[in-house]
Amino acid sequence: GQNIDQPTEMTATEGAIVQINCTYQTSGFNGLFWYQQHAGEAPTFLSYNVLDGLEEKGRFSSFLSRSKGYSYLLLKELQMKDSASYLCAVRDRIGGGADGLTFGKGTHLIIQP
Amino acid sequence: EAQVTQNPRYLITVTGKKLTVTCSQNMNHEYMSWYRQDPGLGLRQIYYSMNVEVTDKGDVPEGYKVSRKEKRNFPLILESPSPNQTSLYFCASSGAGQGMGNQPQHFGDGTRLSIL
Repeated sequence: GQNIDQPTEMTATEGAIVQINCTYQTSGFNGLFWYQQHAGEAPTFLSYNVLDGLEEKGRFSSFLSRSKGYSYLLLKELQMKDSASYLCAVRDRIGGGADGLTFGKGTHLIIQP
Repeated sequence: EAQVTQNPRYLITVTGKKLTVTCSQNMNHEYMSWYRQDPGLGLRQIYYSMNVEVTDKGDVPEGYKVSRKEKRNFPLILESPSPNQTSLYFCASSGAGQGMGNQPQHFGDGTRLSIL
């Protein structure tokens, strides 16, 4: 099975930087995804990591360490519209369906002026 | 426009009255999946399908059925809905490519079901 942990809630200030951590324990690993979800809306894809290291995409970056079962999502130059839940999801071959995604419970990010 | 379409978006119904939530994707994706999302529990997979006529249980399949007769459609069926199935439901699809490792899932807009 899978166990994915991320903080329930975080607060940050507009213009600042925030790092959202995700740790996972899996019986197989075929990539880690980060999604953004605004309240009542569908999750939207942010980033994908399968090899160790940092993937940068504009204001958002994601890091992966497979040996540590650890990832983080880094958001820079925070804007009010970044207030949302951020979901960490791991794709593996056991639990959640073969090649399916298992999601963490999400981190609710609150941006303050 | 590439999209996953769910219907209905909202439904209030009563216990025991069979209902179907439709899901259709226009991206020729092999993989489709249903999730439910509940406060404090996150997204949990109900059923998934690797391709036409191939379906399998996810983490919370009890009380649900699915079918995959065509590649584009993946309906979710609640034969006898109960109040504990009140939830926000999402359909998702993704392409196969390289064992789907790097293919993100595309989500529909969600269906909010209330079972009274």
